[in-house]
Amino acid sequence: DTEVTQTPKHLVMGMTNKKSLKCEQHMGHRAMYWYKQKAKKPPELMFVYSYEKLSINESVPSRFSPECPNSSLLNLHLHALQPEDSALYLCASSPVGTSTYEQYFGPGTRLTVT
Amino acid sequence: TQLLEQSPQFLSIQEGENLTVYCNSSSVFSSLQWYRQEPGEGPVLLVTVVTGGEVKKLKRLTFQFGDARKDSSLHITAAQPGDTGLYLCAGAPWRGNKLVFGAGTILRVKS
Repeated sequence: DTEVTQTPKHLVMGMTNKKSLKCEQHMGHRAMYWYKQKAKKPPELMFVYSYEKLSINESVPSRFSPECPNSSLLNLHLHALQPEDSALYLCASSPVGTSTYEQYFGPGTRLTVT
Repeated sequence: TQLLEQSPQFLSIQEGENLTVYCNSSSVFSSLQWYRQEPGEGPVLLVTVVTGGEVKKLKRLTFQFGDARKDSSLHITAAQPGDTGLYLCAGAPWRGNKLVFGAGTILRVKS
């Protein structure tokens, strides 16, 4: 099973709303990632969790708050977003301790901030 | 900072034509991955190349990793409309788990 699932598929939120994106994988991977992707551009790394601990924060604004409740789940809490935060948010997972770092991506959440 | 230069940025071809996408860097990577992404979906891993000089084939797709592990290419033979999408190369560093992505190649195959 090489599937990473993400919910919801689409999300529309106002600038004062609070919402959460969810990601789940059952491949036993101990690294999980959040990426932001604009149309026709490569994914931009936001956060990396390794063994459920935050290991990389790419200077992401505090209105994005990640959480890793256990080795299979990854959440991204959203609050007071701006219209420029509208994008496809991708979750990915990978094994830790290999030289290839193959990442498996979920289908993404299309976020629109109004 | 490691960079991966990917070219071309955009490619529009007729069904049946061949094409090659290139990824080049001045840095050495431990491995390199190729992904294909359709609109509104997540990237799908096509292949990982690990050994310098390695060639891998996936049906009509041929992937090559340069001898020095600084560059890679993706060659598609007899392209089909189903090959349309965004192709991304991504290099894995020797340390850490932060992939370096190329800018992507948007491929459109017309029937």
